[in-house]
Amino acid sequence: AQSVTQLDSQVPVFEEAPVELRCNYSSSVSVYLFWYVQYPNQGLQLLLKYLSGSTLVKGINGFEAEFNKSQTSFHLRKPSVHISDTAEYFCAVSLPTGGFKTIFGAGTRLFVKA
Amino acid sequence: EPEVTQTPSHQVTQMGQEVILRCVPISNHLYFYWYRQILGQKVEFLVSFYNNEISEKSEIFDDQFSVERPDGSNFTLKIRSTKLEDSAMYFCASSYAGTINEQFFGPGTRLTVL
Repeated sequence: AQSVTQLDSQVPVFEEAPVELRCNYSSSVSVYLFWYVQYPNQGLQLLLKYLSGSTLVKGINGFEAEFNKSQTSFHLRKPSVHISDTAEYFCAVSLPTGGFKTIFGAGTRLFVKA
Repeated sequence: EPEVTQTPSHQVTQMGQEVILRCVPISNHLYFYWYRQILGQKVEFLVSFYNNEISEKSEIFDDQFSVERPDGSNFTLKIRSTKLEDSAMYFCASSYAGTINEQFFGPGTRLTVL
C-alpha cells in the first residue's frame, strides 16, 4: 500500500525567511508526486508536480521541490516566503495504474509571520 | 483557462436525507474522481470513474454512495441517507487521458449534516 507522510504539521516562519516542508512517501511501485496548496476556505491548487525527468521541479509562486528516489522524499522549498504564502500544503502521490487515485499526506500548515 | 466547477458550494441537510453533489469536469477529460476532506483532516480518495463505470473505490465509498455521469458534462455524487459523519468538504477532480495522473480539482462543496 502507498502512504504519504508529512513530517511537520505546522511550520511557523518569518516573512522573507526560507522554508522547507518535508514529505516522505512509501510505495512498492513508481508513483507520480505532487504538492498542492489550500488557502483558507478554498479548494486545492496544484503547486508543482514530478512525473519524470529532472528531479528538481519548479512550480508556481516561487516554490520548488526535489525528488529523491533513494530517500523516497519530495521536500518543498521556497527561498523567501511572503505573508500570502500562509496556507495548508499537501504532498500527494498518484498511482500509475488501477483507478489512478491520489493519496494525500495529512498536510502542513505554513504560517508566515511579519 | 478551463476549470472544474462544483455546485452547490455549501449544502446543509438533515440526517437521513439524500443529497446529490454536482460537478462539471473539464470538457475533454475522461477520468473523474471524488475526494472528501473532513474538517481539519487530510483529503481522502472516494472513487474514480472512467468509461461510465467505477474504476476504483475506497472503503469509505459504501452502499450509501453512488456516482453517475447522467449526461456529457455532469458528474454527480449521491449520498442516499446522510449521516452526521458525512459532514465534510467534497472535491471533484478530473484528468485527461494523456496525463491521467495530473488531476484538476474543483473548489469543493461543503456538506453539513445536521
